[in-house]
Amino acid sequence: DQQVKQNSPSLSVQEGRISILNCDYTNSMFDYFLWYKKYPAEGPTFLISISSIKDKNEDGRFTVFLNKSAKHLSLHIVPSQPGDSAVYFCASTGANSKLTFGKGITLSVRP
Amino acid sequence: EPEVTQTPSHQVTQMGQEVILRCVPISNHLYFYWYRQILGQKVEFLVSFYNNEISEKSEIFDDQFSVERPDGSNFTLKIRSTKLEDSAMYFCASSDPAESSYNEQFFGPGTRLTVL
Repeated sequence: DQQVKQNSPSLSVQEGRISILNCDYTNSMFDYFLWYKKYPAEGPTFLISISSIKDKNEDGRFTVFLNKSAKHLSLHIVPSQPGDSAVYFCASTGANSKLTFGKGITLSVRP
Repeated sequence: EPEVTQTPSHQVTQMGQEVILRCVPISNHLYFYWYRQILGQKVEFLVSFYNNEISEKSEIFDDQFSVERPDGSNFTLKIRSTKLEDSAMYFCASSDPAESSYNEQFFGPGTRLTVL
């Protein structure tokens, strides 16, 4: 089941620079897309989300972009901080339904 | 800030034994979920629960698994006869559509289940 794909397993960026995390999906029926952040030995923590009817949602340093025609979304973090180092999961869902996760991408922000 | 809690944090059991993983969802939430993550793999949906019944389950959630909300606060996942391949992190989550139209689910810290 590869409905949500995060093809890059890791990303390393310099503190202060932009981090761009990518995600692709195959199911055009998804209504919502969410990004979760996970530290070791903790559960996923909700970060930001976007509805399928929008193409951008911004919350502070975090912006999610959705390209429905390409079935692609991305998370931009700017400026990146060392505390952002974690595993980031892209997830998709319909209303009140299960989350379908990607494999995650490990972000390392170098001081 | 309200949070989802899970106990125990780590459970070690022998193959064939029954285990019960416990969760206390956020108190005003109405939808409850169990997910699991086998080491090195993605987080996988197991089951969702609403209005005291299962609303959706994955193919992983076979007859060995069951869920229950025995009282107004706890939400449990039972594995009747554990197998080696059940070793994973099990995450409980809850949500309330009145709070978020994005089906934002709040996750607990997880229970690491090790089957020997």
